[in-house]
Amino acid sequence: LAKTTQPISMDSYEGQEVNITCSHNNIATNDYITWYQQFPSQGPRFIIQGYKTKVTNEVASLFIPADRKSSTLSLPRVSLSDTAVYYCLVGSSNSGYALNFGKGTSLLVTP
Amino acid sequence: EPEVTQTPSHQVTQMGQEVILRCVPISNHLYFYWYRQILGQKVEFLVSFYNNEISEKSEIFDDQFSVERPDGSNFTLKIRSTKLEDSAMYFCASSSQGAVLYEQYFGPGTRLTVT
Repeated sequence: LAKTTQPISMDSYEGQEVNITCSHNNIATNDYITWYQQFPSQGPRFIIQGYKTKVTNEVASLFIPADRKSSTLSLPRVSLSDTAVYYCLVGSSNSGYALNFGKGTSLLVTP
Repeated sequence: EPEVTQTPSHQVTQMGQEVILRCVPISNHLYFYWYRQILGQKVEFLVSFYNNEISEKSEIFDDQFSVERPDGSNFTLKIRSTKLEDSAMYFCASSSQGAVLYEQYFGPGTRLTVT
C-alpha cells in the first residue's frame, strides 16, 4: 500500500472551508484515494473516493492533480459537528483487505 | 439505512478471562472485519473474514484471538485469555466486496476494559 502523509491536526472556525492535503508520492497506477472520517468514540465512516481530477458528493469534494501524488479533501463551510479525525488511504482492488488508517488529521472546529 | 451493530457497547472483564464480542454485519455483505483502537492511538486492523475463513490477519491477531460466523447473521471475535493490553475499542466492519478499494461500513464499537 502506498504510504500517505497528512497533517496531524488542523483548526478552523465555523463556516470556513477546510482543505486537508494528503501526500502519496508512490501511488500506483491502479490505486484509488479514499477518505474516512471518525468522530470521537465512533467507528470510521467512508466520506469520498476518487481516482483523478475532482469528485464531489453531499459531504465533501476531493481534488486530485494530474500527477496524483497528492490529494486534497475539501469540506465546505464546516460546522462544529465536523470536528473529527480524517484519514487518507490509498489502495486498489489488489491491495488486500486491511484499511491502514495511520494517525489521520484531527480537525477541530470552533465557534 | 442498513448499519452494522455491535454488542455489548461496553464490556468489563478480568485479566485471564475469555470474552466474546458480537457483531451483526449488514445483511447482504460478504466480507467482515475486526479492527481495534487503543485509547488515543490509531485504528488497527485485526482480521478479515470471507466465505467462512480468515482471508487476512495482522500480527496482533495471535492465537489468543479467533473469529466465527456462528449463523447467518452474527460475526464474533473471541479473546481467549484477556490481557491488560487488550483494553481498547473494538470495531466490526463489513463490505459487499473485498479489498481496500471498497467501502467498509463500521459498527459503533465495543469498549473492552480489562482489569
